[in-house]
Parts: sequence; structure tokens; C-alpha cells
Amino acid sequence: SYELTQPPSVSVSPGQTASITCSGDELGNKYVSWYQQKPGQSPVVVVYQDNRRPSEIPERFSGSTFGNTATLTISGTQAVDEADYYCQAWDSSTAWVFGGGTELTVL
Amino acid sequence: QITLKESGPILVKPTQTLMLTCTFSGFSLNTGGVGVGWIRQPPGKALEWLALVYWDDDKRYSPSLRSRLTITKDTSKNQVVLTMTNMDPVDTATYYCARAYDSGWRFDYWGQGTLVTVSS
Repeated sequence: SYELTQPPSVSVSPGQTASITCSGDELGNKYVSWYQQKPGQSPVVVVYQDNRRPSEIPERFSGSTFGNTATLTISGTQAVDEADYYCQAWDSSTAWVFGGGTELTVL
Repeated sequence: QITLKESGPILVKPTQTLMLTCTFSGFSLNTGGVGVGWIRQPPGKALEWLALVYWDDDKRYSPSLRSRLTITKDTSKNQVVLTMTNMDPVDTATYYCARAYDSGWRFDYWGQGTLVTVSS
């Protein structure tokens, strides 16, 4: 079955850039979305279709995909961005798959 | 305003069948390019996609759980039902329903989730 691999944790200082990676076979041929989940809350999509951002999501969130790796980048990271982040891939054959999640710590 | 809400038992016994209902509002499952899916999350663990039904009644299932899952929709009631057979304690999780939209097929609206515990 198809798998997506994320680092378990990433740490970043306030105001710096955080990068969270997601790797999977032929990921560049799939649609990639990223979700933010804070404790006790439902996930919220922050990036979809590789690099598109919902209107309500701050501009500091961006996404990119190159080859087998997708990256979520948070520029000027704020304390409020501390959360778990999940990548998710879709194509017509594998349907939906989530990564294992990355805990982002802002310290 | 789009909302989704999960309902069903909070406790099931091993080997029993779980039935969860997602009741939604603010959109129609008759609209092209829309689907409603189920995702679960065991305590402290990652999200896992389970199943989805499209507007045209096409259905997709997680390969690892396909034999245990059935998803159906009732567009007149704005509901989607998921059944999972042969429940086991490892199926203890928060179960979410969410709308999927045909722009990258992301899950753009989520329910609050319902915690289902499997225990005798």
C-alpha cells in the first residue's frame, strides 16, 4: 500500500522559517494537501493542490512539491503555529493517504 | 455555512459492527465534484483515511480495511453512513467525517469527531 513519510518532529524559533517534508513514491504525480491540527481540534487544511492556500489561511503558509518530496513551509513562524501537521496525497488510483504527522514546536 | 456532525455509539464491544452517521448541511451530495469521507485517529496517533462516497455514488475504500467497511449516502437526508464490521480494541479512535472537494480532492470541512471505544 502507498505510504507517506514525515519527520516525527520539527523545532523552529519564533520568526524563523519552518520546513516540514513529506516523501512518497511519485508524489509529484499526485495532489498534495497539508493539514494543521491543534490539540483537541479537528484538522484544518492549510495548503491544497500542492501549493494553493485557502483564503482564510495566512500567507506565511506555502507548499511545494518536487519529485518524491512535498514541503510545507511556514515563514515567520509564530507561537500560534505550534501544532501537528499532516500531509495527504490523492490520485485516482491510490485515493487518499495521510502521512504519519509532524509535531511542530515553536521555541 | 457548511457543517458536518458525526453520531453513533461511544462504546462498542469486540466483534460488533459499528455504524456511524454523518449529518451535513450547507452543501448537497448531488453536486458534482463533491464527496464525503471518513477519517479516524487513534488516541495520540496519526490520521487514517477510511472511505469516501462521491456525488455520483462512486465509492472508495482504504485497501487495508476494505473488507470491513461499507459507506452509503442518503441525499434526501443529507447523511452519509459508515459501517465497520468485526470491531477490535485497536479500532478505538476518534472518527471524523469530512467533505472532499474536487480541487486537489482535499478535505475542506470537517466534523468535530466522535470518540469510539472498543472494549468488552
